[in-house]
Amino acid sequence: SAVISQKPSRDICQRGTSLTIQCQVDSQVTMMFWYRQQPGQSLTLIATANQGSEATYESGFVIDKFPISRPNLTFSTLTVSNMSPEDSSIYLCSVVSGFGYTFGSGTRLTVV
Amino acid sequence: GNSVTQMEGPVTLSEEAFLTINCTYTATGYPSLFWYVQYPGEGLQLLLKATKADDKGSNKGFEATYRKETTSFHLEKGSVQVSDSAVYFCALSDPPSGTYKYIFGTGTRLKVLA
Repeated sequence: SAVISQKPSRDICQRGTSLTIQCQVDSQVTMMFWYRQQPGQSLTLIATANQGSEATYESGFVIDKFPISRPNLTFSTLTVSNMSPEDSSIYLCSVVSGFGYTFGSGTRLTVV
Repeated sequence: GNSVTQMEGPVTLSEEAFLTINCTYTATGYPSLFWYVQYPGEGLQLLLKATKADDKGSNKGFEATYRKETTSFHLEKGSVQVSDSAVYFCALSDPPSGTYKYIFGTGTRLKVLA
């Protein structure tokens, strides 16, 4: 299955700033997915990132808040913009492999 | 819409005890069912899966059987170890929708005591 390198692993950010999270996959994949895991809760899909087209956002998530780039088939970034304490979560990228989803190790974001 | 319901945790067991974590689902179509595990400080890892009714997924001593009649996919292990302490997520995907979207349960934290 694919191996995903995600960074940063954690960060503490000031409100009003932005953070960009990167995911690098060791093989070419068509779709990459970005999830949010809020404290004590399950995973929620933010958006699907396809190479060569705009990301598709789920209900409740907008491009201005969570812009996504997908410049090639092995890389994607998610930016959390104009952060507030409510954005404190774990953010994970994932890809579909033959057996299911493979997840990055996650980025633990704390906004103060 | 589709949904996954897991038993609430935390679940605390002694080493070598029998584990059951309940998971039931609601779905249109015929979803695939998954269990993911998240060890402390790590990302999610696929534990096992089943793609059709009566399939049994198994890995690392864990098992789960896809029960269409009861819409369940309960996770079991006969003898847990301290190293099994983690959060376990039940999930479903609905391939006929063509979106590969996953719906996750809320997770069940397992703590195994030596």
